Amino acid sequence: SQQGEEDPQALSIQEGENATMNCSYKTSINNLQWYRQNSGRGLVHLILIRSNEREKHSGRLRVTLDTSKKSSSLLITASRAADTASYFCATDRDNYGQNFVFGPGTRLSVLP
Amino acid sequence: GAVVSQHPSWVICKSGTSVKIECRSLDFQATTMFWYRQFPKQSLMLMATSNEGSKATYEQGVEKDKFLINHASLTLSTLTVTSAHPEDSSFYICSARPLGGISGGHQETQYFGPGTRLLVL
Repeated sequence: SQQGEEDPQALSIQEGENATMNCSYKTSINNLQWYRQNSGRGLVHLILIRSNEREKHSGRLRVTLDTSKKSSSLLITASRAADTASYFCATDRDNYGQNFVFGPGTRLSVLP
Repeated sequence: GAVVSQHPSWVICKSGTSVKIECRSLDFQATTMFWYRQFPKQSLMLMATSNEGSKATYEQGVEKDKFLINHASLTLSTLTVTSAHPEDSSFYICSARPLGGISGGHQETQYFGPGTRLLVL
């Protein structure tokens, strides 16, 4: 079964609004990472949160992790048209954090 | 820092030919590189883990004789799609995990190439 699953699958908002994406996973993890992918391009690392952390910030990004619920959320504040992309969560699959399992992703569209 | 390149970015080939895709870490060394496949509007599926100087580890359902992986140096891994068929058409993405981590980054982070789009006619 898939480890990381994002919700919603697609999200459309107006520029300036906040966007929240959720990720759920099934097994225990060492860390969870969020990546962004612009259409037809590679992935860009956004933020990593470890299993002993509850919240992290990076610029307009805020990530939370609830290990009891096996879920994480990514909040993008004051969204911009340039934030339009697909967002994936990735969880490490083994104890050495070697292999990622990616969720299906959330396609975010920020309308100008 | 932590730049990964892929070459070519686009390739069109006839059915039955072989295609080689290169993945290079430009400013760091990587003992481990990963190859993913992505279909339109879908997530990344790990195909194999490439370790420098040893045989690649393939995921279940991925034919190792079909997708040949070579990781001959700490900065280069190659994926060769042998006897390509139209169903092999896809977006192939590599990633690299830095040896010892990247300054300001996390050791667990993978850095991704821009991807290679393969179209087999």
